[in-house]
Amino acid sequence: QVQLVQSGAEVKKPGASVLVSCMSSGYTFTNYYLHWVRLAPGRGLEWMGVFNPAIGETSSAQRFRGRVTMTRDTSAGAVMELSNLRSEDTAIYFCARSGSIYGAFDIWGQGTLVNVSS
Amino acid sequence: DIQMTQSPPTLSASIGDRVTITCRASQSISNWLAWYQFKPGKPPQLLMYKASTLESGVPSRFSGSGFGTQFTLTISSLQPEDSATYYCQQYNTHVFGQGTKVEVK
Repeated sequence: QVQLVQSGAEVKKPGASVLVSCMSSGYTFTNYYLHWVRLAPGRGLEWMGVFNPAIGETSSAQRFRGRVTMTRDTSAGAVMELSNLRSEDTAIYFCARSGSIYGAFDIWGQGTLVNVSS
Repeated sequence: DIQMTQSPPTLSASIGDRVTITCRASQSISNWLAWYQFKPGKPPQLLMYKASTLESGVPSRFSGSGFGTQFTLTISSLQPEDSATYYCQQYNTHVFGQGTKVEVK
């Protein structure tokens, strides 16, 4: 079964960093791009960036540049790190795959709630 | 930057009703549009891509249309399991609409 499984919920303080992992199964991990998207209260869905597991290349949205890092951590998994957290980063974070860098997202992870609170 | 505007923000309809959600792009995006269904606690699901191509496994009561700047997602006969939030996405730039929450009465 093709799926993406994400790590569990996190509670972080402002200024800290958070790591969210995304583990694939049922397909060849390096054949698809992996995107990170978040759903924040009052701000809807925001695309954060994309990671090419085959070559390790990344591209991120302007508003997250300098704060987001996307890497591969296993043969079938990836990690997104968001640093310098603020309260506005409280959101559900999703990983999702696409067959091409500009393709639709056909498989999504279940989401990871990150709560940033002092 | 391309903006995607969805309407209505919420809608409530009865089982069996025909429901239409609209997504408008601020400039032409050809047919590079996808629709997704979000339900709490479940992985989001791709419903439609290239504006009108039904993703495998998605019920045929879902259909999509449009080209350029105006797009629609239609549910021909609303079912209880269709209660969800629906988002459009311009997937060349990965910009999403604000979402439409559908409630089944």
